[in-house]
Amino acid sequence: AQSVTQPDIHITVSEGASLELRCNYSYGATPYLFWYVQSPGQGLQLLLKYFSGDTLVQGIKGFEAEFKRSQSSFNLRKPSVHWSDAAEYFCAVGAVPNDYKLSFGAGTTVTVRA
Amino acid sequence: DTGVSQDPRHKITKRGQNVTFRCDPISEHNRLYWYRQTLGQGPEFLTYFQNEAQLEKSRLLSDRFSAERPKGSFSTLEIQRTEQGDSAMYLCASSFDGSYEQYFGPGTRLTVT
Repeated sequence: AQSVTQPDIHITVSEGASLELRCNYSYGATPYLFWYVQSPGQGLQLLLKYFSGDTLVQGIKGFEAEFKRSQSSFNLRKPSVHWSDAAEYFCAVGAVPNDYKLSFGAGTTVTVRA
Repeated sequence: DTGVSQDPRHKITKRGQNVTFRCDPISEHNRLYWYRQTLGQGPEFLTYFQNEAQLEKSRLLSDRFSAERPKGSFSTLEIQRTEQGDSAMYLCASSFDGSYEQYFGPGTRLTVT
């Protein structure tokens, strides 16, 4: 079965600084990978996805992520963080063909300081 | 399109009571998923429907849990004889058939006292 690890529980970053959130997955074949963001009391919003092709994918809100097969990673980045980026971020994997449920990591909470 | 909606947003109940949650997916989506999220964790898959057919249930879904999607539109998730361990956020998501892109609702937060 596929699994996802987000090694960082909590990250604090200054506004305007860059942000990188780590995600490692475990799956034998090429997975479908996602990053979602959850603001307090809200549902999950899809930031970006990787299915195939170009390993650097662009998403909404200025986020990007890079798929590295050799490292089984799909790290999320943003060059310059805004205060509104404070939220919880989840990496997810959908793997088995025709099995569309997602497996999520435990999440990384991002705090943005002024 | 108003997105996925869930009702109620919050529910407080006493242990042993039954509760029912409703999810209205995006209207064109024929797949509907239920997930449970506990504090400090990511969502965990519970069950999903393709149209009105319930195609898979997680082992997390004990006999006290039942989900329905009677006409392939909205879905309900019922928990009977609630326990304190059922306290969690219950998330609903929907997608097109054949798509991995799931769109989530705001969730129903259940507190069992």
